[in-house]
Amino acid sequence: EAEVAQSPRYKITEKSQAVAFWCDPISGHATLYWYRQILGQGPELLVQFQDESVVDDSQLPKDRFSAERLKGVDSTLKIQPAELGDSAMYLCASSLDENTEAFFGQGTRLTVV
Amino acid sequence: DQQVKQNSPSLSVQEGRISILNCDYTNSMFDYFLWYKKYPAEGPTFLISISSIKDKNEDGRFTVFLNKSAKHLSLHIVPSQPGDSAVYFCAARGSGNTPLVFGKGTRLSVIA
Repeated sequence: EAEVAQSPRYKITEKSQAVAFWCDPISGHATLYWYRQILGQGPELLVQFQDESVVDDSQLPKDRFSAERLKGVDSTLKIQPAELGDSAMYLCASSLDENTEAFFGQGTRLTVV
Repeated sequence: DQQVKQNSPSLSVQEGRISILNCDYTNSMFDYFLWYKKYPAEGPTFLISISSIKDKNEDGRFTVFLNKSAKHLSLHIVPSQPGDSAVYFCAARGSGNTPLVFGKGTRLSVIA
């Protein structure tokens, strides 16, 4: 069964360091999402791509976060510099298009110390 | 302002009985609703969805009911099994390229 792949599964980094997460969506899925989930909360959208274009990044803290999907396939989310409050689960999801259900990867658990 | 609300943080149900998880939304532009299940340290898994043109969708032990006038949906699991113990998220979206908006989740515990 096709899956959304994310790496790493876990990441511990010191504050002010740079950190990057990688996501490979299900093959053929044009829409890719990055969500952040803080413990006890629901996932919150950071950025949404349609192919290689950003559709929505209104909730992305652009002073420290960046995301790209250069060839419209896999994607990277970067944080520089990391802050203590960035500790969370970072989830990548993909869907065939914007009107179908999104499938999530296993997430990257980030701890900033 | 939360657009999708799951007002019960937790729910305990005996094995074999029905589990009912509730969700309310405020945005009348939402027209597609989904339920996801999440185990610790894993990503959410899609369970079932419903479009606003329907009021019920069933898939095995899972049924989702939508009451558009009340802006309310519910997920019924029957019979409940211990493996159903997880956090359940309700999510909603409008048409076009609008993002999925999630509730805070309800932790379901099915007791054997």
